[in-house]
Amino acid sequence: GAGVSQTPSNKVTEKGKYVELRCDPISGHTALYWYRQSLGQGPEFLIYFQGTGAADDSGLPNDRFFAVRPEGSVSTLKIQRTERGDSAVYLCASSVSGENTGELFFGEGSRLTVL
Amino acid sequence: AQSVSQHNHHVILSEAASLELGCNYSYGGTVNLFWYVQYPGQHLQLLLKYFSGDPLVKGIKGFEAEFIKSKFSFNLRKPSVQWSDTAEYFCAVNGEETGANNLFFGTGTRLTVIP
Repeated sequence: GAGVSQTPSNKVTEKGKYVELRCDPISGHTALYWYRQSLGQGPEFLIYFQGTGAADDSGLPNDRFFAVRPEGSVSTLKIQRTERGDSAVYLCASSVSGENTGELFFGEGSRLTVL
Repeated sequence: AQSVSQHNHHVILSEAASLELGCNYSYGGTVNLFWYVQYPGQHLQLLLKYFSGDPLVKGIKGFEAEFIKSKFSFNLRKPSVQWSDTAEYFCAVNGEETGANNLFFGTGTRLTVIP
């Protein structure tokens, strides 16, 4: 498709389980971002990739969260030992480059519910 | 603390009413300012942006925003709203203090337009 694709759209898991969320950015976009949006809040930055490398991971809340982008396209956000507080919508966005382009193209998000 | 503030959490208007949504930020230095919109069931999309130049910025669907540096504000306006403007609106900032590759979002304002 032409837009940013995220799978799954919904994920329900139990506390303590491992979860992977996938993002397929717009073709040709070198920059990829992960955000988290909790209920009643705006998107909160997690991590930014320029190509294959994580250029800024300062938003990852703790070491249970990890993201990869091995070939510079698809990215996977990995959450270990999930906690109820991890429940949120995880948004992926991409842009042509990371250099202050101003416009991020967002996917529809993956809603994670941790029971 | 550095932040983006949107004071109106939920605004309800009748069609044809004028709209102004407030956004204030507390970052110093050069900033870039954005308004994103999320229509029901859809992904976040860019409404308009300000980088430099004319502080009055015009975006899609008749929206505009004015950057007032002395007030650290970037309020969104529309002279006459339509039912189809019902959505959640997010103000976002990046710049010298945040890093150009990272957007900081406000908590959002939900707009309901009554036909």
